[in-house]
Amino acid sequence: EDQVTQSPEALRLQEGESSSLNCSYTVSGLRGLFWYRQDPGKGPEFLFTLYSAGEEKEKERLKATLTKKESFLHITAPKPEDSATYLCAVQGANYGGATNKLIFGTGTLLAVQP
Amino acid sequence: EAGVAQSPRYKIIEKRQSVAFWCNPISGHATLYWYQQILGQGPKLLIQFQNNGVVDDSQLPKDRFSAERLKGVDSTLKIQPAKLEDSAVYLCASSFRAATNEKLFFGSGTQLSVL
Repeated sequence: EDQVTQSPEALRLQEGESSSLNCSYTVSGLRGLFWYRQDPGKGPEFLFTLYSAGEEKEKERLKATLTKKESFLHITAPKPEDSATYLCAVQGANYGGATNKLIFGTGTLLAVQP
Repeated sequence: EAGVAQSPRYKIIEKRQSVAFWCNPISGHATLYWYQQILGQGPKLLIQFQNNGVVDDSQLPKDRFSAERLKGVDSTLKIQPAKLEDSAVYLCASSFRAATNEKLFFGSGTQLSVL
């Protein structure tokens, strides 16, 4: 069964203090690994899609990387507005039919203090 | 561009009652999804529509949950009768098509409390 595990569950950083969030996954045939950001009371907002090991993508202070077993979301010099829950999700190749199902992890709650 | 619209924003019901949620996807998006997010968990797909046809409802508790997408635009998710464990946020999402490289756009969700 496909599975996504995120760590840590919660992370508190000082403004400017860089860190990384981890997403470990088990999937039969990875079609894509996704990072979403979720603010309180809102739906998830798309950040990145990674397709193969070695791939990296960047957006402002965020950089996502992918290996065969895990993905990291690196946050460089975070600001208070980066505070949110970061969700990792995978899409496998063996779900059948035309489904676009994502399997989400439980997320990492990031708090950046000024 | 208008986002995914959902209503109501909040709903409180007693167990065994019925409830319905409405979603209007982004204009032109053929694929619509309903996800359930229980507090402290990641979203879980309940049902996926491609236009007005069901693509995946393998995780939908069909004895109590139903969904429809008439005319391939807006959609309704219904729970009848509700159980305590149905307390969750119900998120609607849409994408232009059903492909791995398609972004999903989520609405803000309906928070359901079953007492």
